[in-house]
Amino acid sequence: DAGITQSPRHKVTETGTPVTLRCHQTENHRYMYWYRQDPGHGLRLIHYSYGVKDTDKGEVSDGYSVSRSKTEDFLLTLESATSSQTSVYFCAISESTGNQETQYFGPGTRLLVL
Amino acid sequence: KQEVTQIPAALSVPEGENLVLNCSFTDSAIYNLQWFRQDPGKGLTSLLLIQSSQREQTSGRLNASLDKSSGRSTLYIAASQPGDSATYLCAVGGIGGYQKVTFGTGTKLQVIP
Repeated sequence: DAGITQSPRHKVTETGTPVTLRCHQTENHRYMYWYRQDPGHGLRLIHYSYGVKDTDKGEVSDGYSVSRSKTEDFLLTLESATSSQTSVYFCAISESTGNQETQYFGPGTRLLVL
Repeated sequence: KQEVTQIPAALSVPEGENLVLNCSFTDSAIYNLQWFRQDPGKGLTSLLLIQSSQREQTSGRLNASLDKSSGRSTLYIAASQPGDSATYLCAVGGIGGYQKVTFGTGTKLQVIP
C-alpha cells in the first residue's frame, strides 16, 4: 500500500463548515495527489503536489485548497463545505521503478456534507 | 480531452470462466495505462501497468494488452474465482505525469461460485 494513510476515514459535516482531510505517507515520495470518486464520474484529480510547498490544480479544484509543509503530509481543505462535495476522497502517490511510474492509493475518506 | 470508457459497467460470470474486461480511450497519445482493482469501501490496488511502448503485461492469472492505434486495452482474467469479485478500473496516463491521468468508471465484476 506504499505506506499511505488517510484521516479521518469517515466524516459528517454541515454545509458551510471548513473541513480538512489528511494524507500521510511514510516512504518519502515526492508526488502526491488528491482525487474524488463519484458514481458515474470515475476518479477526478483535485490537486496534486510535486514537492514541499509545490502544488498545482487538477481538473476539479474549485472549492478546495491544499498544503504540503512536510514531505509526508498532504492536506486537503474544503474551505466552506457544500453538499456537492459529498464524495469519497482518495490520496495517492506515484512511485518510479526503473523506467516505470506506478500510482498507489490510500484507503479513502468518506465525506458526507449535510 | 481524453475520455475513457469501460463497457460493460457490470458483469456476472460463473466461477472458472475466462473473461475479458474492456477499456477504450479517445486520444492515442498516452504515456501509460494502468489497471486497478477496487473492493467495496476500499482504495484502489494496482494490478498491471503497461507503458505506451509495450503491448502487454502479465501477472499470474491476469494479462493486460494495449493497442494504442485503436485506443483499446483489455484485461484478461483466466479461471475466474469468487475472490476476483471487485470493480476494475482502467486509468490512462497522458504525457506529462500523473496529473494527466484519466480514469474510466469501472466494470463491476461478480464471480458466482
